[in-house]
Amino acid sequence: TQLLEQSPQFLSIQEGENLTVYCNSSSVFSSLQWYRQEPGEGPVLLVTVVTGGEVKKLKRLTFQFGDARKDSSLHITAAQPGDTGLYLCVIQGAQKLVFGQGTRLTINP
Amino acid sequence: NAGVTQTPKFRILKIGQSMTLQCAQDMNHNYMYWYRQDPGMGLKLIYYSVGAGITDKGEVPNGYNVSRSTTEDFPLRLELAAPSQTSVYFCASAPPGQVTGELFFGEGSRLTVL
Repeated sequence: TQLLEQSPQFLSIQEGENLTVYCNSSSVFSSLQWYRQEPGEGPVLLVTVVTGGEVKKLKRLTFQFGDARKDSSLHITAAQPGDTGLYLCVIQGAQKLVFGQGTRLTINP
Repeated sequence: NAGVTQTPKFRILKIGQSMTLQCAQDMNHNYMYWYRQDPGMGLKLIYYSVGAGITDKGEVPNGYNVSRSTTEDFPLRLELAAPSQTSVYFCASAPPGQVTGELFFGEGSRLTVL
């Protein structure tokens, strides 16, 4: 069974600070997605990464796919209260998507 | 644009009662999924469907049933509710043929079994 581990599980920081969260797999995967889930809502796709070493930017969010295709990171610059939410990494398993348990991020004004 | 619509948003059940969570999508997606999300956890797949008339079990199917008579609808049935089924349930859909396709989620249905 392919496992996904996200760290940290919880992170609470002040507005304006930078942060990085991580997603690690027990084996190589072909692609990885990051979703953000706001309270009371369903997850929404932020990005898909498919190439080892790939870096994608979405405004203040930078996503990196590890060279060995077993890990990924999400870096947020100058965090805003609107970044608060549960960040989920997702990979394509044998016949279904595998979700990590998520990093719950709180940005305090 | 409606996207994926789930009803009800909230429901309280007594142990042993039955109910159906409704899910409808208007994007003509072939793939539909039911997930449950327990507090502080990610999502676990209950059932999924790759098209009308086809359903398959996910990681945690026990205590649930599904049907897919049309492309648009994918209801989830709980026959004998148990406290362990207290959770938030999400329905999702995806278009076919995309290896890295995006999942579109509904807003969730919060179920409490007392």
